[in-house]
Amino acid sequence: EAQVTQNPRYLITVTGKKLTVTCSQNMNHEYMSWYRQDPGLGLRQIYYSMNVEVTDKGDVPEGYKVSRKEKRNFPLILESPSPNQTSLYFCASRRWGAGWGYTFGSGTRLTVV
Amino acid sequence: AQKVTQAQTEISVVEKEDVTLDCVYETRDTTYYLFWYKQPPSGELVFLIRRNSFDEQNEISGRYSWNFQKSTSSFNFTITASQVVDSAVYFCALSGERETSGSRLTFGEGTQLTVNP
Repeated sequence: EAQVTQNPRYLITVTGKKLTVTCSQNMNHEYMSWYRQDPGLGLRQIYYSMNVEVTDKGDVPEGYKVSRKEKRNFPLILESPSPNQTSLYFCASRRWGAGWGYTFGSGTRLTVV
Repeated sequence: AQKVTQAQTEISVVEKEDVTLDCVYETRDTTYYLFWYKQPPSGELVFLIRRNSFDEQNEISGRYSWNFQKSTSSFNFTITASQVVDSAVYFCALSGERETSGSRLTFGEGTQLTVNP
């Protein structure tokens, strides 16, 4: 089944404790992206990647890191999480070429206390 | 810069009523793509439709229909004879043609639709 898999689904952590949310896709998609969803703000792009070793900032990159060492994986790293990073996170991927919509993972609900 | 506005934060209807969700967008691209996603209470994002800017034909899929009007930069979504299962947050989104604008899907704030029995 074609899908984007992100883990974990739920995570509660403490301020300052480094964490990684994993994301993997099995569709051989070139583009991958991370979004965060907050009430009243919709989904905002954190980082995106157009291919292996090519990443760029989205609208809200502060406090996050990403890497794209393999085509299928695009982990999101929070080096020192803070409470304002409490959010619902989505990983997504799509094919190369304009107009293709993203396929989204099931989401990771992160709480930073 | 791209922008999507969904002015209706919340809509509440009674089952079997028709309901229209509004979406207005801004973009400098001449070619662009519009999307609607549904987010049910379980939280996942479900793709509903994609429309490109050079195809203004309206689309109907069962109880769902979409009205794309380039002249008013709108891409509205209508649910006919709404059902309780339609209760969800609905997002309108925009993607551009160029490398930078095409790399992101810009979302509106979402409209929470509640269909009451």
